[in-house]
Parts: sequence; C-alpha cells; structure tokens
Amino acid sequence: DVQMTQSPASVSASVGDRVTITCRASQGISSWLAWFQQKPGKAPKLLIYDASSLQSGVPARFSGSGSGTDFTLTISSLQPEDFATYYCQQSSSFPVTFGQGTRLEMK
Amino acid sequence: QVQLQESGPGLVKPSQTLSLTCTVSGGSITRGSYFWTWIRQPAGKGLEWIGRIFISGDTNYNPSLKSRVTISVDTSKNQFSLRLTSVTAADTAVYYCARESVDMASHDYWGQGTLVTVSS
Repeated sequence: DVQMTQSPASVSASVGDRVTITCRASQGISSWLAWFQQKPGKAPKLLIYDASSLQSGVPARFSGSGSGTDFTLTISSLQPEDFATYYCQQSSSFPVTFGQGTRLEMK
Repeated sequence: QVQLQESGPGLVKPSQTLSLTCTVSGGSITRGSYFWTWIRQPAGKGLEWIGRIFISGDTNYNPSLKSRVTISVDTSKNQFSLRLTSVTAADTAVYYCARESVDMASHDYWGQGTLVTVSS
C-alpha cells in the first residue's frame, strides 16, 4: 500500500493567516492526489483533485501543488469556516489510501 | 444535484454480516463515468477505503478486507450496496458511500454517513 504521511498533525492559526499542510507519499503517485476538508459529524468535502485542480464551488484561497511524492495544500487567508481537519488521498494505486489528517485549530 | 444516502442497521452482532445500501438521487447511477465507493471512519480516526464498483459490475476491494467484502449494484433502484461478513468490534465505524469521478479520480459527492456499531 502507498503510505500517505501528513504534517503537521495539528496546527493552530488565526483568521487571516496563511497555512500550509504537507503530504508525502511513500512512493511516486504522479498527480493522483486529492485534498478533503472534514468538519465534525460531517462527510469529507473535496477541495482539490489532480494535486492542483480546484473543485467547483471551492473558494480560491485554497490551492494545491506538488507531484511525485511531495504535495502541499495552502490556505492563503484563513476564514472562520476553514477550521477543520484536512486529509490527503492518493488514487495512483490500490488500495486508495488517505493521510492521517491534519487538524487546523483556532489560535 | 446528486445526493447519496446510506441506510441499514446501526447495530450488528459480532460474527454476523453488515449490510448497507446507498441510494443515489438527482441522477441515474448508470449515467456518466463514475465508480460507486464505500469508505469508513472509526470514531476519532482516519478514513479507510473499502472498495468500489463500476456500473459494468467490475469491482475493486481493499486487500485488507477483500475476503469479507462484497459490493453490488442495483440499477433498477439506483442503489449500490455493501456486505461485510464476520464482523468484529474493529468494524465499528461511520460508513460513507461516495461517488468517484473517473475524470477527476476522486470522490466528489458523499453521503452523510451512517454509524454502524458491532456489539452483542
């Protein structure tokens, strides 16, 4: 299985801050990477697919980059509704695997 | 707007079979290039991909669960289903159904999730 490792496990930030979350794959996955946002009690929401493509309806303050093994999700200016847990997911090979999650908390 | 809704028992006894159904509304399950997927999440933990089915009936399963999992589709009801046999407490989780777009290779629509507890 491809192991997906996210860092940090948690981060504290304030409204207006720029936040970057990293995801590293245990082997090359080209651009077969997605990012999800999950709030408590809710299903994950797709933010980014193909490593850098913004899902329809997702605010432009979210962006993704990377290819191969190293990827980042950046939130350019945090809004109150962005405090949540974020997961990366690879779909390069079976089984599809997710990172362990990064919890974004309010400072 | 596509919507997915999971249904099924919230409590299953150990060694029995967990059965869930996902009803798709707002569009035909046979239209377009999509995989129909099951994903689960134990309380306070991360996401685990269980498997998926294409409308042709082709399936892919997580090897860690493959011997116990069956995913099927009923096009007449616009539904797809999950069966997980010989369950244990480790199978207690919120189970999500989701649509995976072939073009995007990712899951763009999700059900709200249903909690299944394995306990006697």
